[in-house]
Amino acid sequence: DAGVIQSPRHEVTEMGQEVTLRCKPISGHNSLFWYRQTMMRGLELLIYFNNNVPIDDSGMPEDRFSAKMPNASFSTLKIQPSEPRDSAVYFCASSRPTSGRTGELFFGEGSRLTVL
Amino acid sequence: GESVGLHLPTLSVQEGDNSIINCAYSNSASDYFIWYKQESGKGPQFIIDIRSNMDKRQGQRVTVLLNKTVKHLSLQIAATQPGDSAVYFCAEAPFGYSTLTFGKGTMLLVSP
Repeated sequence: DAGVIQSPRHEVTEMGQEVTLRCKPISGHNSLFWYRQTMMRGLELLIYFNNNVPIDDSGMPEDRFSAKMPNASFSTLKIQPSEPRDSAVYFCASSRPTSGRTGELFFGEGSRLTVL
Repeated sequence: GESVGLHLPTLSVQEGDNSIINCAYSNSASDYFIWYKQESGKGPQFIIDIRSNMDKRQGQRVTVLLNKTVKHLSLQIAATQPGDSAVYFCAEAPFGYSTLTFGKGTMLLVSP
């Protein structure tokens, strides 16, 4: 059974370039989350989708960040333009329907972004 | 415990010892608690969870204890093995919320 799939696993880019991170959630899961992990701030929620609709994007740092979920099996997180302070590991996670109660999040392996 | 600043708190144990990792939370409305293990270069993996109507839950070699009075959560690992070496995160969510808020993590180092 495939888990959450993220790509690319590693990305090195120069400041000012556009970065697109991709995520395929587990089939049947209806919630999708993007988290960012840094040593300074730990795991921070960026945005959360339920049934492909963005529910909470209060964690998105600024207008340079955007996320989409065009269908139940695909989501993107885009940074444009990228800055060195965006360097982090970005995780996508998904969860199954839980009748309104919080449940386990299943994480992908992450996309490590380095902005030079 | 929870970290402050750059350095993760670290727990060093010998193989075969029992390990206890602690976590404090501040939201009295928290209803759901979960422990994750993260190995280097990988995503967090589920270990065990507990809801606020319980104070103890056991899994295979792991036990989670919840003390709502002092807002404290702990993870006990029995007979710790080198493969248990990782960073452990607690996370919580209030009732009705789908998103988890994570603590900063504790690094567990197991020596053979």
